Amino acid sequence: EDQVTQSPEALRLQEGESSSLNCSYTVSGLRGLFWYRQDPGKGPEFLFTLYSAGEEKEKERLKATLTKKESFLHITAPKPEDSATYLCAVWGGNQFYFGTGTSLTVIP
Amino acid sequence: EAGVTQSPTHLIKTRGQQVTLRCSPISGHTSVYWYQQALGLGLQFLLWYDEGEERNRGNFPPRFSGRQFPNYSSELNVNALELEDSALYLCASSLAVGRNQPQHFGDGTRLSIL
Repeated sequence: EDQVTQSPEALRLQEGESSSLNCSYTVSGLRGLFWYRQDPGKGPEFLFTLYSAGEEKEKERLKATLTKKESFLHITAPKPEDSATYLCAVWGGNQFYFGTGTSLTVIP
Repeated sequence: EAGVTQSPTHLIKTRGQQVTLRCSPISGHTSVYWYQQALGLGLQFLLWYDEGEERNRGNFPPRFSGRQFPNYSSELNVNALELEDSALYLCASSLAVGRNQPQHFGDGTRLSIL
């Protein structure tokens, strides 16, 4: 069964404390892995697309990496404004499969 | 460039009523997706339209339906509303599938069932 699992469910960091979020998937025939940020009451905001193992993308304090079975979103020296829920999704050929997200709180 | 727009932003209905939600995709995007996000839960896939055709639907009852118009805008219809239909309904659009393009989301319609 196609599935996307994210961990941890919730993460609290001190400002400046770097960490990583994990997204593992069991979708056959992966054709793209996507990271999103969602703020409360808003729609998800697109961050990155990764297509093949070994690929990396960066944006400000965020860096996404991809292996054959999982992806990591590394957050370097986070700031309070990075607090949000981070979602990953994979395109399995006939639909997107979303994980349930990691709720990140960055404490000043 | 205008993003995905959804209307209305909020709706309050009672059990048994019917509702129509609307979505305008980003210009040039031909695929539209609908998701349900209940409070504290993940995004549940509802429907996918591309070039006016329904391409796939998620595990939802037939009272959830929709369509895509020639201008690629879309509407989601929900009949016989139930309390558990209370959720944020999100619409997303993307360039033509097959090119692994990311979805871009609107801010959703918050539907409350009393």
